[in-house]
Amino acid sequence: QSVLTQPPSASGTPGQRVTISCSGSTSNIGDNSVYWYQHLPGTAPKLLIYTNDQRPSGVPDRFSGSKSGTSGFLAISGLRSEDEADYYCLAWDDSLPGRVFGGGTKVTVL
Amino acid sequence: EVQLVESGGGLIQPGGSLRLSCAASEFSVSSTMSWVRQAPGKGLEWVSLVFSRGSTYYADSVEGRFTISRDNSKNTLYLQMNSLRAEDTAVYFCAGDSSGNRPMDVWGQGTTVTVSS
Repeated sequence: QSVLTQPPSASGTPGQRVTISCSGSTSNIGDNSVYWYQHLPGTAPKLLIYTNDQRPSGVPDRFSGSKSGTSGFLAISGLRSEDEADYYCLAWDDSLPGRVFGGGTKVTVL
Repeated sequence: EVQLVESGGGLIQPGGSLRLSCAASEFSVSSTMSWVRQAPGKGLEWVSLVFSRGSTYYADSVEGRFTISRDNSKNTLYLQMNSLRAEDTAVYFCAGDSSGNRPMDVWGQGTTVTVSS
């Protein structure tokens, strides 16, 4: 059971917008930044969003992040087939202390 | 080219020990470094971290059994794993923070650890 809760799956057709939630608590997202990673099987995970809503260079602006209270959100607009992957949120948890991942959300492009 | 290369994985019996290594190129392991694992069919799990200033942290699942360390002269990160259990079976990734606000933005390709008799 992950400290950060994500829906196990999400899907959409090409061009649609998909939003993934990451629900935490005051000890993690509530007091710290949320980060998002994209992971394709057999490859290294990739940092997609840092400090809630910032994109590293090279990440398409179709990907956007936000945070509200104890939840973080990743939105993928203009969904493309290459976006099929697992997406994980991450935050620092003050009570552990340590980094914690969400359980991951598998995005399927229909 | 920035590169992290893990090694040291393999098949080990329950109760055994293993040391993983992560050799860095064009990246300094004196940065904040982490180990992350993915068990078969499961999601990513953060395992351990050493901050640039030296403080270390562990997930509850490995506390007291795993030790993270680094040799800056060899530019290599390590994970000493003792008292291994079947549930430690996973692909182990090392990852580095290139800056304070970008955790784990540099990753290796992973090394597989299988704990089985």
